Amino acid sequence: ELKVEQNPLFLSMQEGKNYTIYCNYSTTSDRLYWYRQDPGKSLESLFVLLSNGAVKQEGRLMASLDTKARLSTLHITAAVHDLSATYFCAWEGAQKLVFGQGTRLTINP
Amino acid sequence: DSGVTQTPKHLITATGQRVTLRCSPRSGDLSVYWYQQSLDQGLQFLIQYYNGEERAKGNILERFSAQQFPDLHSELNLSSLELGDSALYFCASSVDTAWGNYGYTFGSGTRLTVV
Repeated sequence: ELKVEQNPLFLSMQEGKNYTIYCNYSTTSDRLYWYRQDPGKSLESLFVLLSNGAVKQEGRLMASLDTKARLSTLHITAAVHDLSATYFCAWEGAQKLVFGQGTRLTINP
Repeated sequence: DSGVTQTPKHLITATGQRVTLRCSPRSGDLSVYWYQQSLDQGLQFLIQYYNGEERAKGNILERFSAQQFPDLHSELNLSSLELGDSALYFCASSVDTAWGNYGYTFGSGTRLTVV
């Protein structure tokens, strides 16, 4: 059975600090997605990682993909309060997305 | 506005009732996906339609059904509702070509509360 596991599930950090969210998946996939969700809102696409070694950056967020290790990471640099949200990774395969449990990120001033 | 329109935004109904959730995909997208988000189960894939045909099925209960119409909008029908069906239901659409899928766009969701 396919598993997509994120850790940590909860993360409280101070502004200005760096941190990494990890996403492990059990079955090989060509694509790995990262989404952001604010409370009660929709899913906002952050990154699509298409191949082994792919690295994408947008502002203070950087995502990478290691298909051999079946691992993707989302790195936050010098966190700011506006980045507080829940972050999901999603594995694509068999005509669907399979989501991780989500990481609830709280950034404190 | 993502371009994927879901209606209604909120729905409150009683146990045993039947409801219909509607989704209009982004212009040009042929695929529609339905997901359920609940506190205990997380984000679960329910079903996918491509150009009117069912293409993939996930953890969709027999009490639930869906269809995609010729104009590509989709409806998710939930019947004999139970308290545990209370959740946020998302629709997503994608451009699905012979060369692959070019990403998914999610609607704002329908929050269903069963009382």
